[in-house]
Amino acid sequence: GDSVTQMEGPVTLSEEAFLTINCTYTATGYPSLFWYVQYPGEGLQLLLKATKADDKGSNKGFEATYRKETTSFHLEKGSVQVSDSAVYFCALKETSGSRLTFGEGTQLTVNP
Amino acid sequence: ETGVTQSPTHLIKTRGQQVTLRCSSQSGHNTVSWYQQALGQGPQFIFQYYREEENGRGNFPPRFSGLQFPNYSSELNVNALELDDSALYLCASSQQQGANEQFFGPGTRLTVL
Repeated sequence: GDSVTQMEGPVTLSEEAFLTINCTYTATGYPSLFWYVQYPGEGLQLLLKATKADDKGSNKGFEATYRKETTSFHLEKGSVQVSDSAVYFCALKETSGSRLTFGEGTQLTVNP
Repeated sequence: ETGVTQSPTHLIKTRGQQVTLRCSSQSGHNTVSWYQQALGQGPQFIFQYYREEENGRGNFPPRFSGLQFPNYSSELNVNALELDDSALYLCASSQQQGANEQFFGPGTRLTVL
């Protein structure tokens, strides 16, 4: 079945550092890929998405490129802020399906 | 535009009891999905409702059931609660069945003692 694997956390960075959170996936078809963010005590917010190979999703300085050849969708940000501290989830959805399949999440802490 | 809302925010139950969680979908959305998020883990898909019918189910036992109403709001019912049912239950709505974008509510934190 479908699965998503994220790099193990937690990740702790200083403000303005470069961020990479790795995500790889296994899927039978051609899924859409997503990054969601969860702030403490809140639900999930969609951060960015990509629906086909080589698409780049971007939002709020975050970027991720859909790489079919490596089945990856790594999240990057050039300069993190304290307010970026949250849990980040990589997810996929098959084109014809209804469910999102999530990775286990990566806790990011940014220190001033 | 009102987002996805869930009630209650927190709930404490004991083993063997039954619980009902509620979700109001975002305006204009006719599809609701439910997810279970155990502490420190990613959300797991429970099921989806589209136009009052179940439309896809994850690997959860039949004691997890649901309903969708004509106004597209939804309920998640869990019977015979077990300790492992303690989790954050998330509801997500989308504009249509199979839509890529799902909008999540804040969740209901269920604790089973």
